Amino acid sequence: DIQMTQSPSSVSASVGDRVTITCRASQGIGSWLAWYQQKPGKAPQLLIYAASSFQSGVPSRFSGSGSGTNFTLTISSLQPEDFATYYCQQANSFPRTFGQGTKVEIK
Amino acid sequence: EVRLLQSGGGCVQPGGSRRLSCAASGFTFSSYAMSWVRQAPEKGLEWVSAISGSGDTYYADSAKGRFTISRDNSKNTLYLQMNSLRADDAAVYYCAKDNLPVSGTRYYDYWGQGSLVTVSS
Repeated sequence: DIQMTQSPSSVSASVGDRVTITCRASQGIGSWLAWYQQKPGKAPQLLIYAASSFQSGVPSRFSGSGSGTNFTLTISSLQPEDFATYYCQQANSFPRTFGQGTKVEIK
Repeated sequence: EVRLLQSGGGCVQPGGSRRLSCAASGFTFSSYAMSWVRQAPEKGLEWVSAISGSGDTYYADSAKGRFTISRDNSKNTLYLQMNSLRADDAAVYYCAKDNLPVSGTRYYDYWGQGSLVTVSS
């Protein structure tokens, strides 16, 4: 199985900050990667797929990059509604696997 | 409007069975792969199973031999039959729709509201 490792596990940031979350795959997955946002008690929401493609309706402050084994989710200017947990997910092979999550907290 | 309405959660004894359902509307159900993803209390997301529009199925090792995913395209409904349930199967189970048709079950753009399954004697 492909292991997905996110860093950091949590980050404290202020509104307006630039936040970067990384995701590393245990083997190459091409660009088969998605990023999700999850708020407490809610279902996850797809932000980015195919490593860098925007899901419809997602604010442009979210962006994704990377290929192979190293990927990044960037929030260019953190907004109050962005405080949540973020997960990466590989879609290269079965079983699909998620990272352990990165919690973005208010500083 | 895409909607995924889940039902079937609840409490079950260890070794027992439960069937989850996910009724879909607002899109051509038969054209999209569907998946189940679960989340244990205070834990991360875990992919469980997926089924293509034509019925090809895929399972996590934790689900193989105990869970069965199926779909009824005439009823626009996805199912997850869970047998031999264990304490570590306790979680919120989400059904999820692929973001692109006939894409091979990769990314999930719409999710159900979640069904809580507790396993306890």
